[in-house]
Amino acid sequence: DTAVSQTPKYLVTQMGNDKSIKCEQNLGHDTMYWYKQDSKKFLKIMFSYNNKELIINETVPNRFSPKSPDKAHLNLHINSLELGDSAVYFCASSPRLADTYNEQFFGPGTRLTVL
Amino acid sequence: GQNIDQPTEMTATEGAIVQINCTYQTSGFNGLFWYQQHAGEAPTFLSYNVLDGLEEKGRFSSFLSRSKGYSYLLLKELQMKDSASYLCAVMDSNYQLIWGAGTKLIIKP
Repeated sequence: DTAVSQTPKYLVTQMGNDKSIKCEQNLGHDTMYWYKQDSKKFLKIMFSYNNKELIINETVPNRFSPKSPDKAHLNLHINSLELGDSAVYFCASSPRLADTYNEQFFGPGTRLTVL
Repeated sequence: GQNIDQPTEMTATEGAIVQINCTYQTSGFNGLFWYQQHAGEAPTFLSYNVLDGLEEKGRFSSFLSRSKGYSYLLLKELQMKDSASYLCAVMDSNYQLIWGAGTKLIIKP
């Protein structure tokens, strides 16, 4: 099936740990994104990659680092997890960046709980 | 700063019509999107407007007025499965999507 997939779906961990979330898209898109959705349901852009280059890096802590081994993958690594990192993290992709009609396709989300 | 405003929650009756409003202030405008998000699921694309006017797609329609910084999503013949959050998002001059907090729509029988 063509889609955006991400693993794991649920992640429960202790404060201070390091964890990674993986994302893959087989839609042939050029751009991939990571979003954080907190309890208030705001979707906040964290990073986006266009052809393996980081093009947006919002004011997120440097404990968060995106890694893209190729155009189809954008993983998110988080160091020294904090309680405030608990949220749902969505990966998304879109055909291209600088285009007005640029529908984004979302992965199923990873619910991260930091204890 | 950039801002997207939409009501937090709305309630409607099955079979009725509901209009969800969205107002925005952004640095530049390259289109407005509506997404649907069911509880515990990912957002899915509903509609896109870049020119003023109404775009109709089945039971759903979306309207845009760029001069007023205003859009609405109109849902007709409401069904129970339409219970979800509806997210308004505007693409700014940097082609970045700015998202509203979403409107939770509750459908009652």
